[in-house]
Amino acid sequence: AQSVTQLDSQVPVFEEAPVELRCNYSSSVSVYLFWYVQYPNQGLQLLLKYLSGSTLVKGINGFEAEFNKSQTSFHLRKPSVHISDTAEYFCAVSEIGGQTGANNLFFGTGTRLTVIP
Amino acid sequence: ETGVTQTPRHLVMGMTNKKSLKCEQHLGHNAMYWYKQSAKKPLELMFVYNFKEQTENNSVPSRFSPECPNSSHLFLHLHTLQPEDSALYLCASSQLTGNSPLHFGNGTRLTVT
Repeated sequence: AQSVTQLDSQVPVFEEAPVELRCNYSSSVSVYLFWYVQYPNQGLQLLLKYLSGSTLVKGINGFEAEFNKSQTSFHLRKPSVHISDTAEYFCAVSEIGGQTGANNLFFGTGTRLTVIP
Repeated sequence: ETGVTQTPRHLVMGMTNKKSLKCEQHLGHNAMYWYKQSAKKPLELMFVYNFKEQTENNSVPSRFSPECPNSSHLFLHLHTLQPEDSALYLCASSQLTGNSPLHFGNGTRLTVT
């Protein structure tokens, strides 16, 4: 069975500092990986996704994530955060060859990133 | 503009009321979903519609009743809710391919008094 673990429920960081949000998953098969961001009073928005190819994936707003198959991780990073990055970040996993659509998409519990001026 | 529009944005209702949440997507997707988002919990997938046909009901109480009249519209009818049903209800849509990401609306913040 799939599971997604986001160990850090809250991450405070000063403006212009680097940040890493951790995501680990467990699955018996190959997976697609996603990061979503949720700004206050909004729905989730796709930040980036890993489907195949290069393990370093670049997304919107200067974020990037690296897929590490041996460590079953997909950590999200940004070298310098802005106040506007304050939001909730969700890691999600779907199994390749599994059901299509949301039936096959498993979310972590989220990490709240707070950027301190 | 996310391409997925939900109304209303906020809803306060008593336990004896009947209300409906509405979702509309303008992305040409063929699958639509209802999620419940509660504090400190993972997103809960409630209902799945593929090509207007309901394919999943994840043990959701019958006081929640979905309706999908066409592939662009999705409703969630609410009646005799409980205070623990207070949450953010998110609608999403996608194409039916394995790597297709979900597109979410901004949600309806529901408070049951």
